[in-house]
Amino acid sequence: EDQVTQSPEALRLQEGESSSLNCSYTVSGLRGLFWYRQDPGKGPEFLFTLYSAGEEKEKERLKATLTKKESFLHITAPKPEDSATYLCAVMGYQKVTFGTGTKLQVIP
Amino acid sequence: DTEVTQTPKHLVMGMTNKKSLKCEQHMGHRAMYWYKQKAKKPPELMFVYSYEKLSINESVPSRFSPECPNSSLLNLHLHALQPEDSALYLCASSQGRQSYEQYFGPGTRLTVT
Repeated sequence: EDQVTQSPEALRLQEGESSSLNCSYTVSGLRGLFWYRQDPGKGPEFLFTLYSAGEEKEKERLKATLTKKESFLHITAPKPEDSATYLCAVMGYQKVTFGTGTKLQVIP
Repeated sequence: DTEVTQTPKHLVMGMTNKKSLKCEQHMGHRAMYWYKQKAKKPPELMFVYSYEKLSINESVPSRFSPECPNSSLLNLHLHALQPEDSALYLCASSQGRQSYEQYFGPGTRLTVT
């Protein structure tokens, strides 16, 4: 069975304090790894798709990287508006499996 | 345009009611999904439609009945729900069923009394 584990569960950062979120996975036949941002009471917002080890993608203050066993979401100089829950998901042969997310709080 | 719309935003229903949730996308996507999300938990897959045919049913109770009238619309019919079915119901769509990112709607907050 496909599994996704995210750490830490919660992260509190000062504005401007860079950090990384981790997503470890085991999957039969990785077809894609996805990062989403979710604000309270709203649907997840798509951020990135990574397909193979070594791949990297960037968007504003966010950078996602992928190895054969894990993915990192690096947040550079975060702002309060980056506060949200970040979800990692993997696509195996049949379906997408989500991790439980990392709740990020950025304090001004 | 990467918008998926869902109606209603909020729904309160009794255990004997029948109601429907609606989802619409105009991105030309051929796969559509229903997820259930409880507070502080990740989305939990319920159903997948691929090219308007039901391809995955994650052992969901029969009180939830999906319908895909055409490639842009997805409905979830609700009947005789239990209070534990209260959750955020999310619709998503993707270009195809494999390897493509899913775009989510804002969700319907369902409360069963």
